[in-house]
Amino acid sequence: AQSVTQLGSHVSVSEGALVLLRCNYSSSVPPYLFWYVQYPNQGLQLLLKYTSAATLVKGINGFEAEFKKSETSFHLTKPSAHMSDAAEYFCAVTDAGQGGKLIFGQGTELSVKP
Amino acid sequence: IAGITQAPTSQILAAGRRMTLRCTQDMRHNAMYWYRQDLGLGLRLIHYSNTAGTTGKGEVPDGYSVSRANTDDFPLTLASAVPSQTSVYFCASPGHLFDLSYGYTFGSGTRLTVV
Repeated sequence: AQSVTQLGSHVSVSEGALVLLRCNYSSSVPPYLFWYVQYPNQGLQLLLKYTSAATLVKGINGFEAEFKKSETSFHLTKPSAHMSDAAEYFCAVTDAGQGGKLIFGQGTELSVKP
Repeated sequence: IAGITQAPTSQILAAGRRMTLRCTQDMRHNAMYWYRQDLGLGLRLIHYSNTAGTTGKGEVPDGYSVSRANTDDFPLTLASAVPSQTSVYFCASPGHLFDLSYGYTFGSGTRLTVV
């Protein structure tokens, strides 16, 4: 069965520091992977997605993620954190066996300190 | 309307009462989903519909029912609310049922508190 694990329910970084949010997945077939961001009291917004075209995926707001099949990982990074990046981040996976349904990780709350 | 609209935005509900959360889309997408979001658990699928007239159970369907009379509307009903149904509920729709790369569009959510 598919699953997604996000390591660390809460990550705190200083403004200007590297952001690294970890995501590992399990899937028996080639996956589609997504990162969503949720700002306080809002819905989820697509940050970026991996669909097999390229292993390094660039998203909005300076975020990027690298698909590593050997590690079954899809970690999210940003070189320099901004205060506006403070939000909840969700990794999600689907594949052809799921009929389009997304399976979400538990979420990681990112705090950015001035 | 642009995308997915959910109503109400928030609600406090007495235990045992019936409640319907509304979800309407204007994108003419075939598939629609209901998720609940709980701290530390991420988003879990409650029910889904791949096309008008069909529905299916997700990961946590107990205590909830859905209907899909037309393409645009996908209401979620709690027949007799219990405190464990306190959560934030999101309605979502994928951009394309068979092209998984589209991802989802989400509504803004309904925050439900059952007391």
